[in-house]
Amino acid sequence: QLQLQESGPGLLKSSETLSLTCTVSGGSISSSNYYWGWIRQPPGEGLEWIGSASYSGTTYYSPSLRSRVTISADTSKNQFSLKMNSVTAADTAVYYCARYDPYHFDHWGQGTLVTVSS
Amino acid sequence: QSALTQPASVSGSPGQSITISCSGTSSDVGRYNHVSWYQQHPGKAPKLIIYAVTKRPSGVSDRFSGSKSGNTASLTISGLQAEDEAAYYCGSWISNSIPYVFATGTQVTVL
Repeated sequence: QLQLQESGPGLLKSSETLSLTCTVSGGSISSSNYYWGWIRQPPGEGLEWIGSASYSGTTYYSPSLRSRVTISADTSKNQFSLKMNSVTAADTAVYYCARYDPYHFDHWGQGTLVTVSS
Repeated sequence: QSALTQPASVSGSPGQSITISCSGTSSDVGRYNHVSWYQQHPGKAPKLIIYAVTKRPSGVSDRFSGSKSGNTASLTISGLQAEDEAAYYCGSWISNSIPYVFATGTQVTVL
């Protein structure tokens, strides 16, 4: 059974870089059939797609976040990561990692809350 | 602003059927069968319940069904149950420049 687990700092200061890792178990991220994505949800708000990446390095990003975001995969660790620079309070959210089976997200992590303080 | 539009809330009594709409355009929802639906209970991760407009993942109740007419996709919940009270989001691939987008979500209340 495929499982995804997010990890990373839960508290950041404005202007710092957010770094999260998603560890995948029960399956390999090296499958050419899937992409691996990040989605976030500010408190009390809806879902926002951040971006997705293949194991080989092909990436797609939300136009509104593209300038600040990098998603990459580490096949040796069966992990993929999210980096977002210059964070502000508006980036406070629960961040989810998920598997993208074009064109839907079929497996999700439990989510991790990231709070950005000023 | 999302490229997909959902009603903010829908309610129904136990046993009834309700339908949630997801409106797009002739360039996205109307052109492709890429709409998916997710159910999210408070404090939990979203769960895929419908993909490719009408397909149901293994293990998802057959009380959930999807359809599409023109530029609008719909999720129908039949035989509404208390456990169906949750937020529901539609999502879709839009274009190469907007590879994915979620709508703003619909809160379903079981009266």
